[in-house]
Amino acid sequence: DAKTTQPTSMDCAEGRAANLPCNHSTISGNEYVYWYRQIHSQGPQYIIHGLKNNETNEMASLIITEDRKSSTLILPHATLRDTAVYYCIVRVESFAGANSKLTFGKGITLSVRP
Amino acid sequence: DSGVTQTPKHLITATGQRVTLRCSPRSGDLSVYWYQQSLDQGLQFLIQYYNGEERAKGNILERFSAQQFPDLHSELNLSSLELGDSALYFCASSAVVLGGGEQFFGPGTRLTVL
Repeated sequence: DAKTTQPTSMDCAEGRAANLPCNHSTISGNEYVYWYRQIHSQGPQYIIHGLKNNETNEMASLIITEDRKSSTLILPHATLRDTAVYYCIVRVESFAGANSKLTFGKGITLSVRP
Repeated sequence: DSGVTQTPKHLITATGQRVTLRCSPRSGDLSVYWYQQSLDQGLQFLIQYYNGEERAKGNILERFSAQQFPDLHSELNLSSLELGDSALYFCASSAVVLGGGEQFFGPGTRLTVL
């Protein structure tokens, strides 16, 4: 799986949009971009994933650049409960069991301030 | 609540001992994954099972073993425990084995080896 690079940390004000960047310059054509988050020591939580089109769900939006070398996770109205470590993961979608695992990096710590 | 349950929540034991961690996947999910999260190594994939069969192995020590039972619950056995095995152990499940889709994580078992 391609490697991802994320800033170590960022913060934003409550109620504002949080834009979390991720670089994945070695991404292959069949690799998806996934975002998970981990609040304190809870189990990681799936947020969103995409291949090349922008995606939106009830939690967030995912913007993938046209060359697919980077992406941005957008939390439109951050709340204090969104304070967490956010992981950007690139993963192949395939039939091979070996590619089912998630490879977590260090992630970015988002701190939402009141 | 992800629908994945793990027991026990906390486990304190001594070096050299053996413990068993249990995971019940979401109803209908055939794939189960085990991950270890330690302070120095981050979140690391250990092993994946699909419908009772081992599908993928990660950085799992030989002292560790796992299995998935006919009712799809899984157990992770850790033996000859060392201080360095102290970590959070997460189980995740997913509905497909095709390398895609989201994984749902349980709340984890915190293992402390004294």
